[in-house]
Amino acid sequence: NAGVTQTPKFQVLKTGQSMTLQCAQDMNHNSMYWYRQDPGMGLRLIYYSASEGTTDKGEVPNGYNVSRLNKREFSLRLESAAPSQTSVYFCASSEALTGQGYGYTFGSGTRLTVV
Amino acid sequence: LAKTTQPISMDSYEGQEVNITCSHNNIATNDYITWYQQFPSQGPRFIIQGYKTKVTNEVASLFIPADRKSSTLSLPRVSLSDTAVYYCLVGDSPNSGYALNFGKGTSLLVTP
Repeated sequence: NAGVTQTPKFQVLKTGQSMTLQCAQDMNHNSMYWYRQDPGMGLRLIYYSASEGTTDKGEVPNGYNVSRLNKREFSLRLESAAPSQTSVYFCASSEALTGQGYGYTFGSGTRLTVV
Repeated sequence: LAKTTQPISMDSYEGQEVNITCSHNNIATNDYITWYQQFPSQGPRFIIQGYKTKVTNEVASLFIPADRKSSTLSLPRVSLSDTAVYYCLVGDSPNSGYALNFGKGTSLLVTP
């Protein structure tokens, strides 16, 4: 099992450019998430999708859009990149653990620099 | 959402037991307590989860008092490779409106 796969791993954008970060999971999880991590700020939730067909804003959604393409894929789009969006982006998925609460699996991250 | 409070940082020497406590005063009846570990340049990974009393696995133990308003992650005999950020999370399923808030976690530094 690959788990959660994010592409690309690294990206440099110029201010104003657009791009889409891709995320796919092969664990048949219902819920998927996008986070950003900046030095000293911890992980902050951008958007999440509790199930296929639904998306909701998290703590820092401004400047981003998401698409839950199907159960496996959840993409994050930056329409007009800004230097403040320089960060490491993590995708995650979750499902209920047997007899317990939810467990989350994270991808390895996308390091994005906007110049 | 149950808000959590944990120390920003902790230091330890190799071989010691490390206990990281997390406060979650407004935990709900259906909420589980989950701890994650994150190494630099990697995504967080699941360590342990519990609902009440004590849970132990090959990596750590989780102690939860009867009132469930706090929890303690215990790492026995830490090594240098345990240097990481540890996150305490409290919640139920995403379908109940719960979305994962990791916060800043506790940065653990283990030295020789």
